[in-house]
Amino acid sequence: QLQLQESGPGLVKPSETLSLTCTVSGGSISSSDYYWGWIRQSPGRGLEWIGTVLYSGGPNYNPSLKSRVTMSVDTSKNQFSLRLSFVTAADTAVYYCVRRRGVTPNWFDPWGQGTLVTVSS
Amino acid sequence: AIQMTQSPSSLSASVGDRVTITCRASQGIRNDLGWYQQKPGKAPNLLIYAASSLQSGVPSRFSGSGSGTDFTLTISSLQPEDFATYYCLQDYNYPLTFGQGTKVEIK
Repeated sequence: QLQLQESGPGLVKPSETLSLTCTVSGGSISSSDYYWGWIRQSPGRGLEWIGTVLYSGGPNYNPSLKSRVTMSVDTSKNQFSLRLSFVTAADTAVYYCVRRRGVTPNWFDPWGQGTLVTVSS
Repeated sequence: AIQMTQSPSSLSASVGDRVTITCRASQGIRNDLGWYQQKPGKAPNLLIYAASSLQSGVPSRFSGSGSGTDFTLTISSLQPEDFATYYCLQDYNYPLTFGQGTKVEIK
């Protein structure tokens, strides 16, 4: 059974870069049938799709975050990562890593358990 | 971006009730819509994909319908474990967007 687990700092200072890693277990990240992505959730913004990436590259980012987001995949470690630069308090949220089926019909499953990232000095 | 509007934002219901939640897209999205259930402190969980296809392992009391702009999630007989928040998600085009959620509470 495929499982996803987020890891990274829970506290980031304003203007710095948020970095999270998702470790995939129980399956390979190197599949052309699936994308790997990030979704965040905060009380003020609800659920927000950040972006998705295929193991071979070619990310798709939310335009609202595109200038600050970078996603990458490390097939040797079966991990994918999120970097969000120049963070502010508005980026405080629970961040989930997810697998997205890349062929129709699409869906997000499974999800990681989520990790709370707080932006504060 | 496509806007997804759910209604109601919350509802109170009793065990055994039939519950219906609607989701409206700001433009046509064919049947590229999923429904997710979220319980407090947990990640969302896929219930329905492609508007009406039941995810493996999800109880048959859950069903989805609709296409184009109007979609419905129905719980035929509400069970204690169904009290949660439900979200729709359009998967038609980028950026992918969620509805604001419907919280189902115990009456």
